[in-house]
Amino acid sequence: AQKITQTQPGMFVQEKEAVTLDCTYDTSDPSYGLFWYKQPSSGEMIFLIYQGSYDQQNATEGRYSLNFQKARKSANLVISASQLGDSAMYFCAMREPTLGGSRLTFGEGTQLTVNP
Amino acid sequence: GAGVSQSPSNKVTEKGKDVELRCDPISGHTALYWYRQRLGQGLEFLIYFQGNSAPDKSGLPSDRFSAERTGESVSTLTIQRTQQEDSAVYLCASSRAPQGGRETQYFGPGTRLLVL
Repeated sequence: AQKITQTQPGMFVQEKEAVTLDCTYDTSDPSYGLFWYKQPSSGEMIFLIYQGSYDQQNATEGRYSLNFQKARKSANLVISASQLGDSAMYFCAMREPTLGGSRLTFGEGTQLTVNP
Repeated sequence: GAGVSQSPSNKVTEKGKDVELRCDPISGHTALYWYRQRLGQGLEFLIYFQGNSAPDKSGLPSDRFSAERTGESVSTLTIQRTQQEDSAVYLCASSRAPQGGRETQYFGPGTRLLVL
């Protein structure tokens, strides 16, 4: 079974609008972390936001916020006020300290295109 | 520089040759990770080093792959007798010592390997 599922291969959004990128996960580890990374066409992986499984509040970092629904095992990334520079590949990843050590398990990614 | 660096940035080799990829982690980061990203896909974990502990090699796809790290510094990933399916981007990441799963992995720019 897939550990991380990103069901949207591609998403389009108009500049200045908000967009939600979906991520669902599967783990039996009670303590886990969820990460989102951005990968522009240049290839580098840029850390965006982190959510711990025991965190009481949804994580926010500037225009990025995480809609964490633990019971549904979803951790969707919300980007507000989209900018042209947000066009990139976005990866959701999970760390399961008990089961998988410190490695990250990545989803297949969502290609976001911001239209002017 | 302050970030993770990798060399070479691009490598073209012939099938059957050995290649060596290098990673310089962020100074002070005790943890180092290697991942592989095939075209259009997410990242696959290869190997993890933490301080002087035995490395987690569970992600290495075959015995043609090996990696070394001296202390908390440079790491090299070696692929022997390269095959065309080894063509991918090899990404290195580093982080501070594990802190209950919250530590962020910072990625290098990757080495793009093409096996002809």
